[in-house]
Amino acid sequence: AQKITQTQPGMFVQEKEAVTLDCTYDTSDQSYGLFWYKQPSSGEMIFLIYQGSYDEQNATEGRYSLNFQKARKSANLVISASQLGDSAMYFCAMRGGSNYQLIWGAGTKLIIKP
Amino acid sequence: DVKVTQSSRYLVKRTGEKVFLECVQDMDHENMFWYRQDPGLGLRLIYFSYDVKMKEKGDIPEGYSVSREKKERFSLILESASTNQTSMYLCASSLGANQETQYFGPGTRLLVL
Repeated sequence: AQKITQTQPGMFVQEKEAVTLDCTYDTSDQSYGLFWYKQPSSGEMIFLIYQGSYDEQNATEGRYSLNFQKARKSANLVISASQLGDSAMYFCAMRGGSNYQLIWGAGTKLIIKP
Repeated sequence: DVKVTQSSRYLVKRTGEKVFLECVQDMDHENMFWYRQDPGLGLRLIYFSYDVKMKEKGDIPEGYSVSREKKERFSLILESASTNQTSMYLCASSLGANQETQYFGPGTRLLVL
């Protein structure tokens, strides 16, 4: 069965420090995709970054990068130089076998301290 | 930019009422989704649609129905609202054709009294 695990329910990080949010996945598919979303307190889910299973390089989008370790089945999100506005819930998700659905992790609540 | 809008940000209804939640996307996306989100339970898929008039059940379809008469619009219907349907409802869309990034609307916080 396909599964996403986020083991950190919450994290506190000092402003301007880098932060790594953990995500491990389980799938028997050879082709899959991994996503990270941010959900601020306003409730909207904001797409951050995508990594395809065949992508050889780690995905990057501005201050976000995805540390993709295929053999370990991990897809950690790295946020460089954290800002107060990064405080939010962060969800890791994987494209499921149907190609329509996403399998979601439970999320990590990140709080950036000034 | 993809824009997904939902008809209400906050909604208060009474038990037994019929509730309509509407979602509209403006990017000609093939796929649309309805989720509910509850503390400690994450996002759970209620229904999704991959084409006009097509729908498939997600993980928790009981007590809900959906309608997709036009490509841009996907409605979630609570036939007879119950207190255990108090939740945050999120609509999303994706392009399809293996472009599966989902883009979300702002969410509707529904309270059923």
